[in-house]
Amino acid sequence: NAGVTQTPKFRVLKTGQSMTLLCAQDMNHEYMYWYRQDPGMGLRLIHYSVGEGTTAKGEVPDGYNVSRLKKQNFLLGLESAAPSQTSVYFCASSYSKETGPQGYTFGSGTRLTVV
Amino acid sequence: ILNVEQSPQSLHVQEGDSTNFTCSFPSSNFYALHWYRWETAKSPEALFVMTLNGDEKKKGRISATLNTKEGYSYLYIKGSQPEDSATYLCAFTSGTYKYIFGTGTRLKVLA
Repeated sequence: NAGVTQTPKFRVLKTGQSMTLLCAQDMNHEYMYWYRQDPGMGLRLIHYSVGEGTTAKGEVPDGYNVSRLKKQNFLLGLESAAPSQTSVYFCASSYSKETGPQGYTFGSGTRLTVV
Repeated sequence: ILNVEQSPQSLHVQEGDSTNFTCSFPSSNFYALHWYRWETAKSPEALFVMTLNGDEKKKGRISATLNTKEGYSYLYIKGSQPEDSATYLCAFTSGTYKYIFGTGTRLKVLA
């Protein structure tokens, strides 16, 4: 099925460990985004990409790195996980900035717990 | 920092009741306002995108209105059903085309 796929769906990390979240889309979308969702807060943009080989910082980029080596994949890395990074992470993609009625296509989320 | 607020934070209604909730957003540099329906463990589903002051959109029993001058949008659900239980999320887009999401309204419809 076409869409946005995130892996893994769940992960528990110890403080200081590193990991990479993978987002893959098969819709040939130019734009990809990583958000985090925390209780009582809206989705907050971590990093985004406007095309293959490009990345940009969002609202809450600290502690995360990203890469977009292939158009269909957008990776989110945590080099040294902290408990404050416990969250649900959502990836999304869109055809362009002016996404129109479709808005974003979201993945189903990755629940990360840092202990 | 632009703020998008939704109220109430959560809501319980009986099956068959009609309900509504609010999304408040900055009234300057408005481009579009999106509404999403988000069920637990699933990806958000786009409901409406609204761009013009006075816009009214309808999809089945769900409708939305938009007031860009005063910076609010209402989402209405007529005759709520248990399957309407979800988080309803709005997102504001300014001329910079970046989304700012609200905190959501969590709706629970009791059978």
